[in-house]
Amino acid sequence: DQQVKQNSPSLSVQEGRISILNCDYTNSMFDYFLWYKKYPAEGPTFLISISSIKDKNEDGRFTVFLNKSAKHLSLHIVPSQPGDSAVYFCAASAKNYGGATNKLIFGTGTLLAVQP
Amino acid sequence: KAGVTQTPRYLIKTRGQQVTLSCSPISGHRSVSWYQQTPGQGLQFLFEYFSETQRNKGNFPGRFSGRQFSNSRSEMNVSTLELGDSALYLCASSLTGERLETQYFGPGTRLLVL
Repeated sequence: DQQVKQNSPSLSVQEGRISILNCDYTNSMFDYFLWYKKYPAEGPTFLISISSIKDKNEDGRFTVFLNKSAKHLSLHIVPSQPGDSAVYFCAASAKNYGGATNKLIFGTGTLLAVQP
Repeated sequence: KAGVTQTPRYLIKTRGQQVTLSCSPISGHRSVSWYQQTPGQGLQFLFEYFSETQRNKGNFPGRFSGRQFSNSRSEMNVSTLELGDSALYLCASSLTGERLETQYFGPGTRLLVL
């Protein structure tokens, strides 16, 4: 049962335009969400996070939006750059999730290709 | 500060064999978590170690085990390998493993089971 879903396996965007990556979740216990970026042959690197008490968090070109009623979050990258081309993973966390403290539940990832 | 390192980076084994993977966390980090990444499944939590003790475990069979040493280095062992164990195994470290701490991932070990 995939509790965190990224329904778009891939996304192609022109340089300078906005990239919007989407993520849906099913477990209402999730209260903290993260985005990780992964380049080939490297491990995922933390990008940005958001707590469920907020609906938006910005960090430079990256903004994450959270819609709790829809159980949906999105990552906006503006403007997109070729160096942003990577796989983006959405992840979620819940307090005392099966006894775990820092266990993350990941989506399957979206491959973003930013065309020059 | 050096990042998380994992050895070996690539490994080929045959069914029925066992394998041991190693993870060295960032200096000062005491929590190490392991994840399995397969196509179509994303990253799935295996287990977490803190101060040489397994604190949390994911939904994997008992063939998957691990340990942590006093210097926080961790090893993961998979016995009686199956074809489905072919995956990228990632470890992540953080200071204490508290929920909102950023976890830093290593580059992973790519395991191929033939």
